[in-house]
Amino acid sequence: KAGVTQTPRYLIKTRGQQVTLSCSPISGHRSVSWYQQTPGQGLQFLFEYFSETQRNKGNFPGRFSGRQFSNSRSEMNVSTLELGDSALYLCASREPHMETQYFGPGTRLTVL
Amino acid sequence: GENVEQHPSTLSVQEGDSAVIKCTYSDSASNYFPWYKQELGKRPQLIIDIRSNVGEKKDQRIAVTLNKTAKHFSLHITETQPEDSAVYFCAASSWNSGNTPLVFGKGTRLSVIA
Repeated sequence: KAGVTQTPRYLIKTRGQQVTLSCSPISGHRSVSWYQQTPGQGLQFLFEYFSETQRNKGNFPGRFSGRQFSNSRSEMNVSTLELGDSALYLCASREPHMETQYFGPGTRLTVL
Repeated sequence: GENVEQHPSTLSVQEGDSAVIKCTYSDSASNYFPWYKQELGKRPQLIIDIRSNVGEKKDQRIAVTLNKTAKHFSLHITETQPEDSAVYFCAASSWNSGNTPLVFGKGTRLSVIA
């Protein structure tokens, strides 16, 4: 099976703009989680979607949002970008009722 | 909520030596503990995981031990090789119908010196 894919791989934005990132899970995986990775904070959980419903949400401001489509692909959106939003955004997918998460390559977001 | 502490943050070992990375967790309900390896510029990859009904698990040169009473778990890598150089992350979650997210430690940068 093909692995988790994310687009775009790199993105440069300026403060105040908004951005949408996309994640395509492994075929058959219905759960998608999003993480923000920074050198100082490590991997921090943003949210998880399962069958188009948000199941869990991390401690991030409302500027961070997401959604999942019927084909399990997921998008996350960050509005009103701040410098501190510069990070690697990783998504991970897993099979229903299985713990193991498989990560995508990430989207490197730089906010200038 | 769950909190995972990971030590050390950096670790240098000579090729062929063993490396040990330790993590502690706070939520006694946590029952799933994976370890991920992330090479520079690449995605995190699962290398081994353990569930709370098991005290130790081995896979070739890698082993993980879990002490539920003390709420800590450790990764052991024996006969280290240069390709083991990477950042290693531990994580914990309460697996109950899959509705609890993984909480990660802040990572350990392992350098294996040839």
